[in-house]
Amino acid sequence: DGGITQSPKYLFRKEGQNVTLSCEQNLNHDAMYWYRQDPGQGLRLIYYSQIVNDFQKGDIAEGYSVSREKKESFPLTVTSAQKNPTAFYLCASSHPRGSRQPQHFGDGTRLSIL
Amino acid sequence: ELKVEQNPLFLSMQEGKNYTIYCNYSTTSDRLYWYRQDPGKSLESLFVLLSNGAVKQEGRLMASLDTKARLSTLHITAAVHDLSATYFCAVDRDDKIIFGKGTRLHILP
Repeated sequence: DGGITQSPKYLFRKEGQNVTLSCEQNLNHDAMYWYRQDPGQGLRLIYYSQIVNDFQKGDIAEGYSVSREKKESFPLTVTSAQKNPTAFYLCASSHPRGSRQPQHFGDGTRLSIL
Repeated sequence: ELKVEQNPLFLSMQEGKNYTIYCNYSTTSDRLYWYRQDPGKSLESLFVLLSNGAVKQEGRLMASLDTKARLSTLHITAAVHDLSATYFCAVDRDDKIIFGKGTRLHILP
């Protein structure tokens, strides 16, 4: 079955440590996105990518980095510069804009500080 | 800058009642999405609305779009407990999809 796989499901970060969240999709989608969700809040866009080897900052990109070397993969690194990383991180993918299809979401990674 | 506002943000209602969730957005867009999220879970797509006057229905949920008013509504008919969840609207502009803060719906048996 096609879908989006995020791993790990739970992740703990120590002070000063960078951690990387994995997102893989086998839906053949061109576009991929990373969102952050805080308790009781909506989703805020961190980074997005419409095509391989290209990505753009979203509304809250500071303290995060991404890469898009393969169509299927869009990993997110939470750097030590992100001082408040505790949140639920959701990865999504979609066809290009013209297809008018909704985003598909992974099951999320819950990140906490040790 | 595109802003998406939902109201109410929290709604507690009795089973069997009808209610409407509102989604306003600040700039023009030609597509609007509604999603459902259960506690601790991911988002599930409910509706995609693509044009002015679009109306879509699935079970007890009906969504509509008025692009001139920049308003979408999600109407719940004869609510049942299984519809308890958080509902998000999202608007697509310039390759970015911006979400509202969500409406947390709690349906009392």
